[in-house]
Amino acid sequence: NAGVTQTPKFQVLKTGQSMTLQCAQDMNHEYMSWYRQDPGMGLRLIHYSVGAGITDQGEVPNGYNVSRSTTEDFPLRLLSAAPSQTSVYFCASSYSFGENYGYTFGSGTRLTVV
Amino acid sequence: AQSVTQLDSHVSVSEGTPVLLRCNYSSSYSPSLFWYVQHPNKGLQLLLKYTSAATLVKGINGFEAEFKKSETSFHLTKPSAHMSDAAEYFCVVRGGYQKVTFGTGTKLQVIP
Repeated sequence: NAGVTQTPKFQVLKTGQSMTLQCAQDMNHEYMSWYRQDPGMGLRLIHYSVGAGITDQGEVPNGYNVSRSTTEDFPLRLLSAAPSQTSVYFCASSYSFGENYGYTFGSGTRLTVV
Repeated sequence: AQSVTQLDSHVSVSEGTPVLLRCNYSSSYSPSLFWYVQHPNKGLQLLLKYTSAATLVKGINGFEAEFKKSETSFHLTKPSAHMSDAAEYFCVVRGGYQKVTFGTGTKLQVIP
């Protein structure tokens, strides 16, 4: 049982480039989300999805797009990378969006934009 | 409004001594509360959760937390620190539809 798999683990982009961060889970979880982690700021929600075909914005969505065509996959797209997007990105999933469920996190993608 | 405050950004303890990581929250709802641990260069792992059942919650690796509504607190404790406990710990409140808020984290240092 792999849990939540994120690829790549590390990435360096030039300003203006685009890329997709991949996230896949094999637990049949309904709820998936993307967070970014910056020093001293905890984790901030970028986008989330409560099921295939349904996505919504979180706290810091600007500059990012998501889609959820299958239950398993929830890719995060950076449209035109900026140095402010240098961060560690975590994908997290949960059985349901109900309040009693904790998250399963991926191991993260460390992104540097130069 | 909903918020989480982790009162210490860094905590240092000696191996074998008790651990106390403090968390206060505010929420308009009856919240669910969680503690996560993050070891260096790793993802977050769920330690324990409170979901309106018993107020004293036991988690993995000997950690426990007590929900105190009157004090709006959910402090994490462990009787005896181990070197492997050195990590960053996050308090999380989940209240209302989709509303999840992470604290800013407490880094625990364990001194041999």
